[in-house]
Amino acid sequence: DQQVKQNSPSLSVQEGRISILNCDYTNSMFDYFLWYKKYPAEGPTFLISISSIKDKNEDGRFTVFLNKSAKHLSLHIVPSQPGDSAVYFCAASVSFGNEKLTFGTGTRLTIIP
Amino acid sequence: GAGVSQSPSNKVTEKGKDVELRCDPISGHTALYWYRQSLGQGLEFLIYFQGNSAPDKSGLPSDRFSAERTGGSVSTLTIQRTQQEDSAVYLCASSPPGTGDSYEQYFGPGTRLTVT
Repeated sequence: DQQVKQNSPSLSVQEGRISILNCDYTNSMFDYFLWYKKYPAEGPTFLISISSIKDKNEDGRFTVFLNKSAKHLSLHIVPSQPGDSAVYFCAASVSFGNEKLTFGTGTRLTIIP
Repeated sequence: GAGVSQSPSNKVTEKGKDVELRCDPISGHTALYWYRQSLGQGLEFLIYFQGNSAPDKSGLPSDRFSAERTGGSVSTLTIQRTQQEDSAVYLCASSPPGTGDSYEQYFGPGTRLTVT
């Protein structure tokens, strides 16, 4: 039972354009969502998060949107840069604070120079 | 400062042998998590330690898996009688006491376990 789903295993975007990564979840108890970025042979690094009381959070080039009614979130990266090429994981938690994360299977983003 | 460290970085073992994987969390972080990532899969939660509370072991796939955290710091994940399906990257993460309105887990580089 995949509670967090990233239906696009890969995405290619031209440098300078917007990258949009999508994530869907099924557990209505999730109330905190995070995006992680992972390079090969490294652990995931935190990018941005959003709690369920918000519908948008922005940090520099990264913006996360949350649509609770649709159980959908997305990560926007603009403008996309070659260094953004990595695997992006969506994750969710049922409680705000220290708790286990449920991860999606990841989307491999490739930025084309 | 130093991040989460894990050792060894790579481990090849024969089926049926026991292995121990080590995690050194960031100093001062009260929570410690173990996850694993099998080929082509997302990260799968294994176990979670928070301070002196009893650990949340709900993600351990079988009783061959166990973990302990000594002195509220270093953690060891032990897999007994390893099977080929245990082959994966085992990731450790730690997080500080929850403050403010943001929260994140800091991951180590992982241990790649290969069971032959």
